[in-house]
Amino acid sequence: AQSVTQLDSQVPVFEEAPVELRCNYSSSVSVYLFWYVQYPNQGLQLLLKYLSGSTLVKGINGFEAEFNKSQTSFHLRKPSVHISDTAEYFCAVSLQGGSEKLVFGKGTKLTVNP
Amino acid sequence: NAGVTQTPKFRVLKTGQSMTLLCAQDMNHEYMYWYRQDPGMGLRLIHYSVGEGTTAKGEVPDGYNVSRLKKQNFLLGLESAAPSQTSVYFCATGRLPRGDQPQHFGDGTRLSIL
Repeated sequence: AQSVTQLDSQVPVFEEAPVELRCNYSSSVSVYLFWYVQYPNQGLQLLLKYLSGSTLVKGINGFEAEFNKSQTSFHLRKPSVHISDTAEYFCAVSLQGGSEKLVFGKGTKLTVNP
Repeated sequence: NAGVTQTPKFRVLKTGQSMTLLCAQDMNHEYMYWYRQDPGMGLRLIHYSVGEGTTAKGEVPDGYNVSRLKKQNFLLGLESAAPSQTSVYFCATGRLPRGDQPQHFGDGTRLSIL
């Protein structure tokens, strides 16, 4: 079975600083990878996804993530964060070849301070 | 998220009471899911449905029942609520039974059981 580990439960940063949210996965078969964002009191929204091809994936709001198969990682990055990026971020995986289920990490709470 | 609507948004119950959470979607998606979100635990799958009239257990199904009598609705029932079921419940939908399709989430139901 696949699993997802988000290495940091909380990440505080100052506005305009760069940020990296780390995600590692474990699976015996190839996977698809997703990052979702949850703003306070809202549901989850898709930020970006890796299906195949280029290992650098760009998403909404200036975020990008890089798939590293050898390190089984899918870290999320943004070069300059804004106060409005304060939210919880979830990494998720699903199995290639047909799977109706996502497995989520436990989330990383990003707090951007002025 | 206009596509997935959860009712109610908030509810307080006493231990032993029953209630039903409703998820309605207008996206014509085949797959529907119920998750619970607890601090530091990420999202855990309770039950899901691969189509009208079908349901299946997820990771944490005990104490919950579900029904999918119509394609657009997915109901989550608590027959005898317990304090351990205090959580935020999210409904999600998926278009196809393929791992590359993202899920679409409602805004959640915040449930407190006293």
